[in-house]
Amino acid sequence: DAEITQSPRHKITETGRQVTLACHQTWNHNNMFWYRQDLGHGLRLIHYSYGVQDTNKGEVSDGYSVSRSNTEDLPLTLESAASSQTSVYFCASSPTPGTSTYNEQFFGPGTRLTVL
Amino acid sequence: AQSVTQPDIHITVSEGASLELRCNYSYGATPYLFWYVQSPGQGLQLLLKYFSGDTLVQGIKGFEAEFKRSQSSFNLRKPSVHWSDAAEYFCAVATVIKAAGNKLTFGGGTRVLVKP
Repeated sequence: DAEITQSPRHKITETGRQVTLACHQTWNHNNMFWYRQDLGHGLRLIHYSYGVQDTNKGEVSDGYSVSRSNTEDLPLTLESAASSQTSVYFCASSPTPGTSTYNEQFFGPGTRLTVL
Repeated sequence: AQSVTQPDIHITVSEGASLELRCNYSYGATPYLFWYVQSPGQGLQLLLKYFSGDTLVQGIKGFEAEFKRSQSSFNLRKPSVHWSDAAEYFCAVATVIKAAGNKLTFGGGTRVLVKP
């Protein structure tokens, strides 16, 4: 079955370190997204991509970067981790236009990141 | 800009009682609306979605939602709650950014507790 996976599921790091969170989907979806989830804020969009070599900033992109070198993967990098980036991170993907589930996003299980 | 408001942060309901979760959105065009559920420690699962047509939408796990354009609302309901419905529920609106894709804007979530 197609799926979307994230790794690691849990990560503890120190302030100032570079951290990369992996996201891999086997749906063959063109669209991929990264969100962070914080109490009281729901999910907020960090970055998104509509295809290979395409990346776009979301509403909370400062301190984060992504790259899209293939359809399946969208890694999220924290250039210099800060305590304010302690959060749960979710990756999602959605189909391309023209499909019946065009606007629906499929979510990974999440990565809990703690920055000390 | 689009926004989604879930006025209730927490709701406690007795098992077997009915449940209604409120969602109000702000979006200039025809909205694509979703309800997602997140069980503890899990990712988000789609409960139901509204794109067009019948304003009463049926979803999984016995949930339904009603789209009311005049009130900019998309409230989620379940006639009889089961203990397994204890979770956090998110309302979201999709906006088409360009022909290639879309974005989701989430509400802050409502946490549902079920009493025996």
